[in-house]
Amino acid sequence: NAGVTQTPKFQVLKTGQSMTLQCAQDMNHEYMSWYRQDPGMGLRLIHYSVGAGITDQGEVPNGYNVSRSTTEDFPLRLLSAAPSQTSVYFCASSYSRRSTEAFFGQGTRLTVV
Amino acid sequence: GQQVMQIPQYQHVQEGEDFTTYCNSSTTLSNIQWYKQRPGGHPVFLIQLVKSGEVKKQKRLTFQFGEAKKNSSLHITATQTTDVGTYFCAGLNTGFQKLVFGTGTRLLVSP
Repeated sequence: NAGVTQTPKFQVLKTGQSMTLQCAQDMNHEYMSWYRQDPGMGLRLIHYSVGAGITDQGEVPNGYNVSRSTTEDFPLRLLSAAPSQTSVYFCASSYSRRSTEAFFGQGTRLTVV
Repeated sequence: GQQVMQIPQYQHVQEGEDFTTYCNSSTTLSNIQWYKQRPGGHPVFLIQLVKSGEVKKQKRLTFQFGEAKKNSSLHITATQTTDVGTYFCAGLNTGFQKLVFGTGTRLLVSP
């Protein structure tokens, strides 16, 4: 099993560009989420999904969209990138929303210039 | 909204010294989890605590969950250089939907 796979690993965007960060898991996990990590601020929850077709906002959802059309995939879309979105993004999955362990992808380092 | 704070933000110890990080939530939690992130890596699950007052041990690591289920601590006895990294607590809200991470404590261990 590959676990949680994120692509790309690195990305540089210009202000105003859009892009999609990909996240896929092969563990048949029900719960998936996106976090951003900034120095001194820990991991902040952007969006999460408790199952296919169901998504909800986390702590910092502005500027990001998500969808969950399949159990496996949970892409994160930046509609119009801003320098404030420069960060490391992590996707995570858990067996269920009541589950214990969250499995993280390797992260995407995004720079917006 | 739910907030989870950790202190200290950073600690530098000599190998063999003990280390403790504290986690406080603004709301009552269903459970609390602890993760370790090595430099340049991703968070890796360490343990979950569910019951009020629960204490769990993993070798040199001791984890506690407060009686009110709003705070937690991680204590490392006799640190080693392999303990270097950032330790995060993460609280699951009572609706079992949001796993909110603390701000993290970065541990540096000098030989």
